[in-house]
Amino acid sequence: AQRVTQPEKLLSVFKGAPVELKCNYSYSGSPELFWYVQYSRQRLQLLLRHISRESIKGFTADLNKGETSFHLKKPFAQEEDSAMYYCALLETSGSRLTFGEGTQLTVNP
Amino acid sequence: DAGITQSPRYKITETGRQVTLMCHQTWSHSYMFWYRQDLGHGLRLIYYSAAADITDKGEVSDGYVVSRSKTENFPLTLESATRSQTSVYFCASSDWVDEQFFGPGTRLTVL
Repeated sequence: AQRVTQPEKLLSVFKGAPVELKCNYSYSGSPELFWYVQYSRQRLQLLLRHISRESIKGFTADLNKGETSFHLKKPFAQEEDSAMYYCALLETSGSRLTFGEGTQLTVNP
Repeated sequence: DAGITQSPRYKITETGRQVTLMCHQTWSHSYMFWYRQDLGHGLRLIYYSAAADITDKGEVSDGYVVSRSKTENFPLTLESATRSQTSVYFCASSDWVDEQFFGPGTRLTVL
């Protein structure tokens, strides 16, 4: 069965420090993974997808098939990065996403 | 983001009552989804729809009913509300499943 795990429910870092939000998945095929973000008082929205290999708001995420991971990283965290982050996996059928439990990131001044 | 709306935004009801949460999108997206968000569980899919008159169950569909007679609307009904259905409910729509556009959410409390 497909599964997405985010082991950290809460993550707190200081401004300017590196941040890594962990995501592990279980999937039998070729996975398509995404990060969604929900800022305070805003709607949940797509942050980035692994196939585009782009950096959004300074965040990058590399798919590591050997470790079945898709960790989200940023070298220098900013206070405005404080938000709830969800990792998501596109299911085999292509008809829906499976989301992880979410990580609440707090960037302290 | 006004393209997808949910109503009501807040709802308090009692155990056993029927409750309907509304979702409306103006983009003519094919796909629509209902999720519930709970601490420790993240976002869990309740139901989804690939087109009008086509719906399918998600991982936590028990106790919920949906319909989609029109492309733009996707109401979610709790047939007989239970306390365990206290949650924040999100509706989403998309043309492609991967980039979903979410509504503002409905906070439901079942007493």
